Amino acid sequence: DTGVSQDPRHKITKRGQNVTFRCDPISEHNRLYWYRQTLGQGPEFLTYFQNEAQLEKSRLLSDRFSAERPKGSFSTLEIQRTEQGDSAMYLCASSPIHSYEQYFGPGTRLTVT
Amino acid sequence: GQNIDQPTEMTATEGAIVQINCTYQTSGFNGLFWYQQHAGEAPTFLSYNVLDGLEEKGRFSSFLSRSKGYSYLLLKELQMKDSASYLCAVRDDYKLSFGAGTTVTVRA
Repeated sequence: DTGVSQDPRHKITKRGQNVTFRCDPISEHNRLYWYRQTLGQGPEFLTYFQNEAQLEKSRLLSDRFSAERPKGSFSTLEIQRTEQGDSAMYLCASSPIHSYEQYFGPGTRLTVT
Repeated sequence: GQNIDQPTEMTATEGAIVQINCTYQTSGFNGLFWYQQHAGEAPTFLSYNVLDGLEEKGRFSSFLSRSKGYSYLLLKELQMKDSASYLCAVRDDYKLSFGAGTTVTVRA
């Protein structure tokens, strides 16, 4: 059992640049979630996929953010024209269809300078 | 909206017991999770309550009262490795809404 993996683990970018993160869920987990966590806060829900379908997007996810899960396996989260307020830890989680427990990946820490 | 409150910090001595309270007011409720998160790491699952009462899992126990919008996590026989942030999260259908977390510091 390899767990949820995320790549890269750290990303430093200049304001205005685009960044893309990848999440590989646990094999056969058909639910995938993206969360954002800032220092001293709990994770905040961003979006949710069941297989390849994106079923919900949070109001937090502005039009600069887009997420995909093209084949129902790995997922990508892209942020266009990054802003300093985007600096955070981006967490991915997955769960199987008949369980509510979400398994989190190690996260991608984004720093926008 | 979602309102989930838990204390910011707690300190306890190795071998002691600590109780972390969580109160919630949410638009939906399908269960309550507790996660542990060490600094710089991903949250890891500790417990899940969907019905009222106490769930015990080794040194960790979690309690839920749905009518009061209240839960607690009980950590017994504290060890230094238990120093971490503990996150209360309410499940609404498929997504989780988290509290800000309680940082527990265990002293020798």
